[in-house]
Amino acid sequence: LAKTTQPISMDSYEGQEVNITCSHNNIATNDYITWYQQFPSQGPRFIIQGYKTKVTNEVASLFIPADRKSSTLSLPRVSLSDTAVYYCLVGDAVTGGGNKLTFGTGTQLKVEL
Amino acid sequence: GAVVSQHPSRVICKSGTSVKIECRSLDFQATTMFWYRQFPKQSLMLMATSNEGSKATYEQGVEKDKFLINHASLTLSTLTVTSAHPEDSSFYICSARGLGAETQYFGPGTRLLVL
Repeated sequence: LAKTTQPISMDSYEGQEVNITCSHNNIATNDYITWYQQFPSQGPRFIIQGYKTKVTNEVASLFIPADRKSSTLSLPRVSLSDTAVYYCLVGDAVTGGGNKLTFGTGTQLKVEL
Repeated sequence: GAVVSQHPSRVICKSGTSVKIECRSLDFQATTMFWYRQFPKQSLMLMATSNEGSKATYEQGVEKDKFLINHASLTLSTLTVTSAHPEDSSFYICSARGLGAETQYFGPGTRLLVL
């Protein structure tokens, strides 16, 4: 299983763009990169998923360089409600392993006024 | 996105009793479901993986006789904590994945407190 490394914490202010980078040097060919958001006492919420290049949805963008050894989650114009822990995970959805995901420490994002 | 529910959301029980937690996929068929445990200020730890109709695969260090998992249908998996003890108090979270899908969707979690 590919191991991921993220900053433990990040601070930002409302209205700013936040970029959280995740390293996954041992990512395998079949692995997808998925980001989740977790608030205290809640289950993780799916944010975005990608395989290569750039993916964008209504809440975030995901940038993946050609070597796929890292990825960057970009949150545009954060608000106080974006204060949460963000997890980067890699996993293989194709094999019979059923896309087993290993959670790392995550990044605690704190957004202030 | 896909919706996964858990019941109950929180439960308090006496030491020695068994507790059952249900995980349901509400709008898709979940061929694979996962059970995680999360202690305060820590990350999620995968306990087991279950595929519909077959026995669950447990992670190293997780006692299969203590944490019974049943995945009898494509929309329901249950986790039973047998003979619960205070050290089993934790936040239990399930996730579900549909056939051929790349994404896991998580339930809201169940807070278990064993007195």
